[in-house]
Amino acid sequence: ETGVTQSPTHLIKTRGQQVTLRCSSQSGHNTVSWYQQALGQGPQFIFQYYREEENGRGNFPPRFSGLQFPNYSSELNVNALELDDSALYLCASSLDRGENEQFFGPGTRLTVL
Amino acid sequence: GQNIDQPTEMTATEGAIVQINCTYQTSGFNGLFWYQQHAGEAPTFLSYNVLDGLEEKGRFSSFLSRSKGYSYLLLKELQMKDSASYLCAVREPYTDKLIFGTGTRLQVFP
Repeated sequence: ETGVTQSPTHLIKTRGQQVTLRCSSQSGHNTVSWYQQALGQGPQFIFQYYREEENGRGNFPPRFSGLQFPNYSSELNVNALELDDSALYLCASSLDRGENEQFFGPGTRLTVL
Repeated sequence: GQNIDQPTEMTATEGAIVQINCTYQTSGFNGLFWYQQHAGEAPTFLSYNVLDGLEEKGRFSSFLSRSKGYSYLLLKELQMKDSASYLCAVREPYTDKLIFGTGTRLQVFP
């Protein structure tokens, strides 16, 4: 069984650019959540997708947007990058909404210069 | 508001027992989670409590008191590989949103 995978592993962008991060959920999992983890901090919830629909959003501006595909893989898009967007972006999948265990991917380390 | 507090750093000796505390003040509650995160890696699930009391899983135990807004993670027979950050997280009702604390960095010394 393949776990949660994310791509790319690392990414360097400059202010104002746009970025797309990708996540493949664990086999059979229909729910994907995205988190931002700044250095030395705990992860912060960005949003969750369930069966291709957004199912909850954290305190992030609209330039953070997402998508979930019919195979339940997901994308996180960030427009107009700011220096403070530099962080580890984690994707977590769960078998269904309300499941206790969320399985995290290895993350994408984004650096904005 | 949402607030989750845990100590920033702790140290312990191999073979010892350590208790990591977590206090929370959130507008709602639908379970408390503990995750382990090694440097540069993804968090991995350790435990889940939704009712008061102690949940034991091998060398790890987690306790919850909802009336006090308090939880702890107990690690027994510490091993060097237990050196990691331990994240306490509360799940909001009606969503799967997890609110994380800043994490406790545990260093285990020989």
